Amino acid sequence: RKEVEQDPGPFNVPEGATVAFNCTYSNSASQSFFWYRQDCRKEPKLLMSVYSSGNEDGRFTAQLNRASQYISLLIRDSKLSDSATYLCVVNINRGSTLGRLYFGRGTQLTVWP
Amino acid sequence: NAGVTQTPKFQVLKTGQSMTLQCAQDMNHNSMYWYRQDPGMGLRLIYYSASEGTTDKGEVPNGYNVSRLNKREFSLRLESAAPSQTSVYFCASREDSLSYNEQFFGPGTRLTVL
Repeated sequence: RKEVEQDPGPFNVPEGATVAFNCTYSNSASQSFFWYRQDCRKEPKLLMSVYSSGNEDGRFTAQLNRASQYISLLIRDSKLSDSATYLCVVNINRGSTLGRLYFGRGTQLTVWP
Repeated sequence: NAGVTQTPKFQVLKTGQSMTLQCAQDMNHNSMYWYRQDPGMGLRLIYYSASEGTTDKGEVPNGYNVSRLNKREFSLRLESAAPSQTSVYFCASREDSLSYNEQFFGPGTRLTVL
């Protein structure tokens, strides 16, 4: 079973729409959580970290539910420039081994005019 | 700061040829990583180096070797390329792996093996 599971989409929404992505992770030892964004044929870049209390950055809101091992990303008032693939990422430390990031396969979003 | 740089950007190899992908970071990061990305498969970790002098296998290490030459540089070698190694390769670095530190990626190397 993969450490991080995401709905691959694609999600196709009009400008101005609100869209939500979900992600589940399998390892309860997961310690930190992120959303990365990847534009077509480009490298992934950090969009935002996800904190236990939930956090917001402009039109983007991230939520974490540790009990359900569930992470979400909400995008309000979608822009054409939001079109990209969104990667759910968790950091897992395994005992004495330094941790590393585990990436979901990504959810593809297309915003149309 | 250039961040994470990779060379080459594109490469075409014939089956059986060897090559080394170069990666360097100028952020004084301890941890460095090599991933491959294939359509529908997402990012898969090949090898990583938690600190200078150490390397560990990731999910898909077969057919690859790595060298952490110094703190800045982490190279990936394909000894005998196979068509299954056609992919986009990303190098990444991170200050350390125990916190919310961001992982930075290079621009990628697009490799085709014929």
